Amino acid sequence: ETGVTQTPRHLVMGMTNKKSLKCEQHLGHNAMYWYKQSAKKPLELMFVYSLEERVENNSVPSRFSPECPNSSHLFLHLHTLQPEDSALYLCASSMRSGTSGKNEQFFGPGTRLTVL
Amino acid sequence: AQTVTQSQPEMSVQEAETVTLSCTYDTSENNYYLFWYKQPPSRQMILVIRQEAYKQQNATENRFSVNFQKAAKSFSLKISDSQLGDTAMYFCAFMKPGTYKYIFGTGTRLKVLA
Repeated sequence: ETGVTQTPRHLVMGMTNKKSLKCEQHLGHNAMYWYKQSAKKPLELMFVYSLEERVENNSVPSRFSPECPNSSHLFLHLHTLQPEDSALYLCASSMRSGTSGKNEQFFGPGTRLTVL
Repeated sequence: AQTVTQSQPEMSVQEAETVTLSCTYDTSENNYYLFWYKQPPSRQMILVIRQEAYKQQNATENRFSVNFQKAAKSFSLKISDSQLGDTAMYFCAFMKPGTYKYIFGTGTRLKVLA
């Protein structure tokens, strides 16, 4: 197991529900990421937070709302989702990107989301 | 924009044999990082190996090695002495230093056969 945890591991929700995904990293990293993983597609980067500031937002629909209260925690708030949002949502962390260092991402186990 | 292509959706290899997974990428950058990640069934994605573009020497990690051809923009992964635990999805990824964008390929599903 890496030092990145995600809860819940599985989530089934209706299109009118509101839920939140939680990610926590214990690695002392200062950048955190949300990815969407769908079958036969590349990982889609959704959001990036560096030092608790959002630095990437890849045209993600507003029904996904990220929150990063501190460098160890990252949330993804979900509301009025669509069935096509069903996927594995992965959280990752790394040290803040620079021109040196390993630049390696550590991933959590993911939350398997099903939208009915 | 950078792209990463993995042209082999699925592969299989006999236990103890060697297998090579291919990855090509497109970029105009001169300095960047390339990664291979492994995602076992229902388990977390982990880093297998990393290559820095300015290093000509191919990276090696135990049974895993890469063939990095910068001019050809090719970054293949060789797994020697394949083990059943190598069964997983393998993702190739590109990253430009100073950014937060990791560009991933679509993955290759590798099955090691007993």
